[in-house]
Amino acid sequence: QSALTQPPSASGSPGQSVTISCTGTSSDVGGYNYVSWYQQHPGKAPKLIIYEVNKRPSGVPDRFSGSKSGNTASLTVSGLQAEDEADYHCNSYAGSHTVVFGGGTKLTVL
Amino acid sequence: EVQLVESGGGLVQPGGPLRLSCAASGFTFNLYWMSWVRQAPGKGLEWVANIKEDGSQKYFAGSVEGRFTISRDNAENSLFLQMNSLRAEDTAVYYCVRFRPGGYLDYWGQGIRVTVSS
Repeated sequence: QSALTQPPSASGSPGQSVTISCTGTSSDVGGYNYVSWYQQHPGKAPKLIIYEVNKRPSGVPDRFSGSKSGNTASLTVSGLQAEDEADYHCNSYAGSHTVVFGGGTKLTVL
Repeated sequence: EVQLVESGGGLVQPGGPLRLSCAASGFTFNLYWMSWVRQAPGKGLEWVANIKEDGSQKYFAGSVEGRFTISRDNAENSLFLQMNSLRAEDTAVYYCVRFRPGGYLDYWGQGIRVTVSS
């Protein structure tokens, strides 16, 4: 399994929208509607914010949304807030009860 | 409230063994797949292993296959990771995580640090 490809960094000003991409292959991202996204603040455990491409767990603001086209998934954060500054990790089911992560993207709120 | 609490981490010499434990509470443990995920210093997340509800199926990342074993004790609501032949590149924070159908990981422990160094 190769890691999914994410940009190492992204940034935006408060109130703006930012989109983070996550590129895989037809064996993972493109093959299943099972992409999830995790937010991780420094020194903390990751937190699930999107699952099954575009579903939000209870309590996650609707400013966070997910989508997928072909082998690339995307996370969009709208109405950026200071507390959104964190690392974001994508994940995809890769068959046979295995999953693969991306390398993570550091989101900076300017 | 779902809680996952890891223990057993620490400093170990290259080639040595270490066993991680995870105490689960707040949910019916024997109804869920469980996973271990790790994060090397300054790096992204890496899935390590999965185990089925009853322990009958286990899956491992290629980087640890043959060296790590995952197990569980449903009577004690506990998950384990036995790590053998440890290498410097196994140095990471290890997370105990609940694994859901479709491959998403909905609850995470706080993580436990493992350092492999002489």
